Amino acid sequence: GAVVSQHPSRVICKSGTSVKIECRSLDFQATTMFWYRQFPKQSLMLMATSNEGSKATYEQGVEKDKFLINHASLTLSTLTVTSAHPEDSSFYICSATGTSGVDTQYFGPGTRLTVL
Amino acid sequence: GEDVEQSLFLSVREGDSSVINCTYTDSSSTYLYWYKQEPGAGLQLLTYIFSNMDMKQDQRLTVLLNKKDKHLSLRIADTQTGDSAIYFCAESIAGNMLTFGGGTRLMVKP
Repeated sequence: GAVVSQHPSRVICKSGTSVKIECRSLDFQATTMFWYRQFPKQSLMLMATSNEGSKATYEQGVEKDKFLINHASLTLSTLTVTSAHPEDSSFYICSATGTSGVDTQYFGPGTRLTVL
Repeated sequence: GEDVEQSLFLSVREGDSSVINCTYTDSSSTYLYWYKQEPGAGLQLLTYIFSNMDMKQDQRLTVLLNKKDKHLSLRIADTQTGDSAIYFCAESIAGNMLTFGGGTRLMVKP
């Protein structure tokens, strides 16, 4: 149980276009979803936290107009990278927590974004 | 603020034990975690430990927590080549938000 999927797994786009990444909890209801970005030196950075039906909370330094997060249902959150630039190329990972009461996050497989 | 630190790299021979260390600064951590990331993949939760425990064992994995020193370790017994990956420790306090260490790359030599 506790499977989180992401789609697409890999995307290449042109500079200036927008890209949407989906994160789904397949077998549980995710009250909270998180979006991380992984930089080349392997460290993970939390970008934002989203709770179903409310606006996402962005970490300091993350542009909320550039990284649009929507958590419309208990099983789906989307991250849209608007007007992507090469410096946005990265590995984006989502995670979700359910209602089990344990502070355990279940991670998606990640999406590799390459902006040309 | 929270700070979680790990050494960057560890190399062991197949069959030996691996010990990956992690230190953290926030004494109000409620849970501490170990995640594994294989090349090109997302993070996989290996194990977690409550902050009121000092040891947890799960098959080849042993987690030791020294709360006084704010030191967490992951021991992998009989390390195999399939254990080669990046290992992240993480802590959480209230609200489920995780703070990750920088990751330790484990290389297992045949």
